[in-house]
Amino acid sequence: DAGVTQSPTHLIKTRGQQVTLRCSPISGHKSVSWYQQVLGQGPQFIFQYYEKEERGRGNFPDRFSARQFPNYSSELNVNALLLGDSALYLCASSSGLALDNEQFFGPGTRLTVL
Amino acid sequence: RKEVEQDPGPFNVPEGATVAFNCTYSNSASQSFFWYRQDCRKEPKLLMSVYSSGNEDGRFTAQLNRASQYISLLIRDSKLSDSATYLCVVSVGMDTGRRALTFGSGTRLQVQP
Repeated sequence: DAGVTQSPTHLIKTRGQQVTLRCSPISGHKSVSWYQQVLGQGPQFIFQYYEKEERGRGNFPDRFSARQFPNYSSELNVNALLLGDSALYLCASSSGLALDNEQFFGPGTRLTVL
Repeated sequence: RKEVEQDPGPFNVPEGATVAFNCTYSNSASQSFFWYRQDCRKEPKLLMSVYSSGNEDGRFTAQLNRASQYISLLIRDSKLSDSATYLCVVSVGMDTGRRALTFGSGTRLQVQP
């Protein structure tokens, strides 16, 4: 069975631009979470979506938004990009609502903002 | 103070050695605890959950001390394939009443032949 997939793999943008990252969860998983991982740090929680509703939000500015589609795939949008947004963006899926369930991570999208 | 603190390492150990990692967390209301493993330039993967009574999975033993807000991971008989970054993860409550996972910065282990 396919694991969590993310696209694109790599992305280069300039300051002020907008970016959309995509994630497809493991088949049957209804929860999708997004994390930002800056080099040398652990992943930081951005959002959780379950059954197309936002169920949790981390300490990120409103420039970050997300949504989940009826097929449980998800998009993360970041507006007005800053240099500090350069990071690996990880998507994780799980079968249940609780984040205490095992989170299965995708390979990530590496975003570079110039 | 960070919510989850780990020694960044690196820990350089020979094959066959026993190595221990420690982690402290600041939120006494934390309810769930995990160790994730992240290989270089790869995604994190769950290594094991950590239970109050302590738990073992093969060569790996995890301990939790709620009073001291301290978690440990012990790896016995280290293998070259154990070389990775080990992330301490704690679930904390958010304002919404839901919980979120908070990751430490990770401890890097390098097992030498």
